[in-house]
Amino acid sequence: AQSVTQLDSHVSVSEGTPVLLRCNYSSSYSPSLFWYVQHPNKGLQLLLKYTSAATLVKGINGFEAEFKKSETSFHLTKPSAHMSDAAEYFCVVSGFSGGYNKLIFGAGTRLAVHP
Amino acid sequence: EPEVTQTPSHQVTQMGQEVILRCVPISNHLYFYWYRQILGQKVEFLVSFYNNEISEKSEIFDDQFSVERPDGSNFTLKIRSTKLEDSAMYFCASSRAQGTDYGYTFGSGTRLTVV
Repeated sequence: AQSVTQLDSHVSVSEGTPVLLRCNYSSSYSPSLFWYVQHPNKGLQLLLKYTSAATLVKGINGFEAEFKKSETSFHLTKPSAHMSDAAEYFCVVSGFSGGYNKLIFGAGTRLAVHP
Repeated sequence: EPEVTQTPSHQVTQMGQEVILRCVPISNHLYFYWYRQILGQKVEFLVSFYNNEISEKSEIFDDQFSVERPDGSNFTLKIRSTKLEDSAMYFCASSRAQGTDYGYTFGSGTRLTVV
């Protein structure tokens, strides 16, 4: 079975400083991994995805994530936080069941960005 | 950019009443999904739908839930007799094809409150 653990429920950074949101996964086969972001009153927006190509994945808005199989991690990073990055971030693994794909979400990390 | 549209954004209903949550998926997408997030908990898979039938459902999706695509445009989730524990944010999603390489597009959600 697939699962995903987001190690921090809340992260607070100052504007202009680096962002690190941590995610560990568990999968019995080579997984597909995603990061989604949810701004207040908005839908879940795909930031980036890993599907067994390059291990360093670049996404929108300057975010990137590195797939590390040896550490079963898929941490999300950004060199310099903007105020607009404040949101809830979800690490997601694709689960395969009965011939169909479904998404398995982590509990989410709420990112706060201070001036 | 194409969007998945969900209505209403908020719904308050009395326990025991029927509710219908509506979604308009992206027009050339063929796979449709409902997920939900109870406050403070993870986003959970409910059901996937393809070719006018359910392709997979979770253990949450019991007999009080049903989905349909009544007119080839809307995709609805009906809860027949709501319970307090059905209070949650419900997300609709669609994808062009099966498989995570194609990605999912989520709507902004319907917040259902059962009183």
